[in-house]
Amino acid sequence: GENVEQHPSTLSVQEGDSAVIKCTYSDSASNYFPWYKQELGKRPQLIIDIRSNVGEKKDQRIAVTLNKTAKHFSLHITETQPEDSAVYFCAASRNSGANSKLTFGKGITLSVRP
Amino acid sequence: DGGITQSPKYLFRKEGQNVTLSCEQNLNHDAMYWYRQDPGQGLRLIYYSQIVNDFQKGDIAEGYSVSREKKESFPLTVTSAQKNPTAFYLCASSTGHLSGANVLTFGAGSRLTVL
Repeated sequence: GENVEQHPSTLSVQEGDSAVIKCTYSDSASNYFPWYKQELGKRPQLIIDIRSNVGEKKDQRIAVTLNKTAKHFSLHITETQPEDSAVYFCAASRNSGANSKLTFGKGITLSVRP
Repeated sequence: DGGITQSPKYLFRKEGQNVTLSCEQNLNHDAMYWYRQDPGQGLRLIYYSQIVNDFQKGDIAEGYSVSREKKESFPLTVTSAQKNPTAFYLCASSTGHLSGANVLTFGAGSRLTVL
């Protein structure tokens, strides 16, 4: 089955700096890669996702890049703000319809220092 | 915070007792999922259901059971066979259709503590 790993497990940045969170996956057939953000005491929410036919996707201050050859994808957050402090989960799946399911990484705790 | 509702928010159980966690969604989603969240372990899939009256085991199904008698409901029973049941349980749903198959909407979670 799929194995998703996240590195590092914690990340601390100064407000205004950029943050990069990297994930690797094992199943070369995986073709859907979402990122979820979980603020303290709240439910995870999708912030951005990418499919394997695209190398990069941006949404305001966040972007995701995908390297299929190396089997890794990264979340980039620019101009970080204190409200970006949260746990970020990456995931991967084969988006093949019936019985496709997401495998999540263990999560990275991002702390933005004011 | 509408869409998918989990209850109870907090639950305490004595060892040896079964407990059922409720998950209800009004999003008309076909697929529903149960995840377990432990510190440093991420989200691990317990069971999932793509359609009414059908469900599949996830990665850590032992000691758990589910049912999917209605599209909007996917209750999870934590049985006494689960060796380490204290955890935060998250229910999720998705459209189940090919284009949006894996975009999950999560509930607020249920925290189970075994005394």
